[in-house]
Amino acid sequence: QQQVKQSPQSLIVQKGGISIINCAYENTAFDYFPWYQQFPGKGPALLIAIRPDVSEKKEGRFTISFNKSAKQFSLHIMDSQPGDSATYFCAAIPVYSGGYQKVTFGTGTKLQVIP
Amino acid sequence: SAVISQKPSRDICQRGTSLTIQCQVDSQVTMMFWYRQQPGQSLTLIATANQGSEATYESGFVIDKFPISRPNLTFSTLTVSNLSPEDSSIYLCSVEAAGLNTEAFFGQGTRLTVV
Repeated sequence: QQQVKQSPQSLIVQKGGISIINCAYENTAFDYFPWYQQFPGKGPALLIAIRPDVSEKKEGRFTISFNKSAKQFSLHIMDSQPGDSATYFCAAIPVYSGGYQKVTFGTGTKLQVIP
Repeated sequence: SAVISQKPSRDICQRGTSLTIQCQVDSQVTMMFWYRQQPGQSLTLIATANQGSEATYESGFVIDKFPISRPNLTFSTLTVSNLSPEDSSIYLCSVEAAGLNTEAFFGQGTRLTVV
């Protein structure tokens, strides 16, 4: 019940194309959904995040779409660039109850953007 | 935000030996987290380290194998003991910005190869 399922495992996109990564969860206690970007040899870094009270959040070329009823959310990278080539993790965090929250990570998607 | 320095960045160790990984944060934090990231896999939480008390281990991880020290609010170490090839992974130190919008900050990771 604590899992977050992520797909695809890997993705190859042409430069300028749209990259789409999908995640699904079961636990309705999750209340905050960040996406992390990880380059080789680096730790993950927060990219963008969303709460379930909105259906979409956009920051530059990155957009999260959220479907609360389906318990699914996705990351869209518009005009994908070779510099976007990285591994992307979705994550889910329970309702804030004070203190520190356990982050549940998806399985990761390795994105390669080819020129 | 938090800047996390982790060392070593990589090491090759003989089976049966141990490796101690150091994590230094540029600000005082209550909780520090240690993750394992196996090749091509997601992040799995090993334990949570609170200053002044014993670490809390996740299911499947035990103190004898992964002893953790947390001597002050900016530093922690993770030791991976009695190494076997199955321990070859990336180990990541993390802290969280606690609050409504939890953000996890990661060190660059330690890539361990056991031969």
